[in-house]
Amino acid sequence: DTAVSQTPKYLVTQMGNDKSIKCEQNLGHDTMYWYKQDSKKFLKIMFSYNNKELIINETVPNRFSPKSPDKAHLNLHINSLELGDSAVYFCASSQGGGLGAFFGQGTRLTVV
Amino acid sequence: GENVEQHPSTLSVQEGDSAVIKCTYSDSASNYFPWYKQELGKGPQLIIDIRSNVGEKKDQRIAVTLNKTAKHFSLHITETQPEDSAVYFCAASGGGTSYGKLTFGQGTILTVHP
Repeated sequence: DTAVSQTPKYLVTQMGNDKSIKCEQNLGHDTMYWYKQDSKKFLKIMFSYNNKELIINETVPNRFSPKSPDKAHLNLHINSLELGDSAVYFCASSQGGGLGAFFGQGTRLTVV
Repeated sequence: GENVEQHPSTLSVQEGDSAVIKCTYSDSASNYFPWYKQELGKGPQLIIDIRSNVGEKKDQRIAVTLNKTAKHFSLHITETQPEDSAVYFCAASGGGTSYGKLTFGQGTILTVHP
């Protein structure tokens, strides 16, 4: 019974395309996050939502637009994909304050 | 903002030995310090955490220590096993207007040789 699930797991697409990644958590947490892991394994936060409200937007290009239809879901839409967007994107959730954040399995995005 | 430095970047030990990974943080307002283990092709998994009102925490073979004055914290793994091989990340959270944002260290690749 997966706690934080993301789809798809792999995504290969051409430059200039628009794509979405979906995330769902069944832990009843109030806060959800998107993190980006680059080729050197460095993990950096992109966005955080608390009860559907955006609370962190970490200087991410506005081609990235998160959407939270309810507190169990946080999707990430990316417009006009660029080569530099290639990375692994992780969704996470926590009860608040980052405490005990649970991560999904990741979405490996490759832009060609 | 918060900055977390993690050392070493790679660590190779023999099965049964101990492994120690160290992190320093910059924001004295940070009050929550988790450690994550990431296996190949998987997401980071929380293995232990510590809050700033505690100096040490243990869970079976793993322990974390925190020195608030020096702003550093460490992960200790005893009696290492091959299945401990993974990338380990420290993180810090809680300072100021962080709203639960985790700032991660650069990661340590731990290899345990049988």
